[in-house]
Amino acid sequence: GAVVSQHPSWVICKSGTSVKIECRSLDFQATTMFWYRQFPKQSLMLMATSNEGSKATYEQGVEKDKFLINHASLTLSTLTVTSAHPEDSSFYICSAIPLAETYIVQYFGPGTRLTVT
Amino acid sequence: AQSVTQLGSHVSVSEGALVLLRCNYSSSVPPYLFWYVQYPNQGLQLLLKYTSAATLVKGINGFEAEFKKSETSFHLTKPSAHMSDAAEYFCAVSGGSQGNLIFGKGTKLSVKP
Repeated sequence: GAVVSQHPSWVICKSGTSVKIECRSLDFQATTMFWYRQFPKQSLMLMATSNEGSKATYEQGVEKDKFLINHASLTLSTLTVTSAHPEDSSFYICSAIPLAETYIVQYFGPGTRLTVT
Repeated sequence: AQSVTQLGSHVSVSEGALVLLRCNYSSSVPPYLFWYVQYPNQGLQLLLKYTSAATLVKGINGFEAEFKKSETSFHLTKPSAHMSDAAEYFCAVSGGSQGNLIFGKGTKLSVKP
């Protein structure tokens, strides 16, 4: 149980285009999902907290107009990287907290590797 | 504010040897602590968690960790390393009201045959 999926797992896009990444909780409902960014050989950096039905909360330094987050249902959150540039290339990972385990455990997706050319 | 320090960015052990990955935390409130493992190009998998119950926590794949409040530590151990244990390990503390995690910088574990 507690499986989180991400789609796509790997995407290459051209500079200036937008890319959408989906995060789904497959066997549980999640009011809260998180989006992280991970650079090579580094730890995870929290980008934003996504709450179903409300606006996401962004961490300091993360551009909300560039990284659009939508959490339209209890099982789906999306991250859209708008007008992508090469410096946006990174590994993006989402996580979700099951409704029944609020504030306790985050379950992580497998990650999406974004390469902007 | 919570923080996590992982001592040693790279630990190398021989197969069959003891694994010890160190984690110290700072928290102004009783913490929830976690160890996650990450294999190359994959997400994070929960190894174990401490949520103020038993101080010795057993996880998957033979790992365990002991919460020591006096030392503000939550070190991860495994009696006998296996080649498949080679991965990146992250210690994390739960901070904030929404359960967001604060991660350490990670420790890469290498296992020599």
